[in-house]
Amino acid sequence: ETGVTQSPTHLIKTRGQQVTLRCSSQSGHNTVSWYQQALGQGPQFIFQYYREEENGRGNFPPRFSGLQFPNYSSELNVNALELDDSALYLCASSLGLAGIDEQYFGPGTRLTVT
Amino acid sequence: QKEVEQNSGPLSVPEGAIASLNCTYSDRGSQSFFWYRQYSGKSPELIMFIYSNGDKEDGRFTAQLNKASQYVSLLIRDSQPSDSATYLCAVYSGGGADGLTFGKGTHLIIQP
Repeated sequence: ETGVTQSPTHLIKTRGQQVTLRCSSQSGHNTVSWYQQALGQGPQFIFQYYREEENGRGNFPPRFSGLQFPNYSSELNVNALELDDSALYLCASSLGLAGIDEQYFGPGTRLTVT
Repeated sequence: QKEVEQNSGPLSVPEGAIASLNCTYSDRGSQSFFWYRQYSGKSPELIMFIYSNGDKEDGRFTAQLNKASQYVSLLIRDSQPSDSATYLCAVYSGGGADGLTFGKGTHLIIQP
């Protein structure tokens, strides 16, 4: 167990809806990164939050947004859901910035968009 | 475009043998390299990380890095059926504002 938790475990949404996914980082970690993993693919970097500010973003449209709270927990929000958004969404926490320090993943949220 | 390439497999190895997993990356400035193991339906689990050229050993696992060839590998000695999983190679290219770039993973099967 990494100490990183995510909720919910599974979620089914309809195209056009909005969704919020939540993550609690490992104790002592102040960086949270979000990744999207489509079936059969490796995780793709969405963005990273360091001390409550977005610090790096991958090739994802603005309808993917996030927040990090003072306790270093985080949310991923996706607006105007599309069918291709169906994937496993992974939260990873690290002591410092991703890549500089090791990242540890939570169990993920499986999102299905119909 | 930063790319990380892995053979998708499946790679089939007899129990007790050495499994060798390979990864190449496109960004010559890449700084750190990670191997994750992912069981079907689960999230990735960090196995090893390496920053410097050469070998790094941790139990049955050895990571090898050759920056000149832009190549990183993972060796698993005395392979066990429980090692059967998808192994993901991830690379950090630096700059402080990027996450990890992952390959698609190699599916490893350890045959009893």
